[in-house]
Amino acid sequence: DAKTTQPPSMDCAEGRAANLPCNHSTISGNEYVYWYRQIHSQGPQYIIHGLKNNETNEMASLIITEDRKSSTLILPHATLRDTAVYYCIVSGLNYGGSQGNLIFGKGTKLSVKP
Amino acid sequence: ETGVTQTPRHLVMGMTNKKSLKCEQHLGHNAMYWYKQSAKKPLELMFVYSLEERVENNSVPSRFSPECPNSSHLFLHLHTLQPEDSALYLCASSQENPGVGEQYFGPGTRLTVT
Repeated sequence: DAKTTQPPSMDCAEGRAANLPCNHSTISGNEYVYWYRQIHSQGPQYIIHGLKNNETNEMASLIITEDRKSSTLILPHATLRDTAVYYCIVSGLNYGGSQGNLIFGKGTKLSVKP
Repeated sequence: ETGVTQTPRHLVMGMTNKKSLKCEQHLGHNAMYWYKQSAKKPLELMFVYSLEERVENNSVPSRFSPECPNSSHLFLHLHTLQPEDSALYLCASSQENPGVGEQYFGPGTRLTVT
């Protein structure tokens, strides 16, 4: 089972920031938070990942709370092409568990509207 | 383009046919994965290969048979499939497994079993 909780859907106006929340209250110390997205009928696309510090790249920013129990993916200026299902995944090197594998949940369906 | 290619992109096969899906990665990665995505269900991890050795098999029926002849190529051999096996089959690769780091996905093969 996925170890994260995300809202099933969100809307965002084009040009505005999209803030996608994720709860991962059972995250362990050596697990990372990953974000992927899947545009309809395509393969998932890696966006960003982090351990405890905030991260930023050309696609998005990742804000992780100090207790690491939740995070927010920020798309600073959403476009229509950002409409997709966004997956928040916790993964890492867990002794006795899946070694760095990704367990996908249902994600958040983000709809960017004109 | 993610550096991971899959062929064919679409496949229709009868329940008595034998077919193979092919995946190739041009990223120099050491780990490769097969996922299945059925309609309205989360992605399910099927197989994991690391350095051409199968390291994980998530209780996949024997009618699915993976093969990894080298670190750049991954096959999924299909035989006597059932209609419920119709799904999007996705291949992915990563630098290593076990390990921490992003996975890169191919575009998938849309399989229909009649």
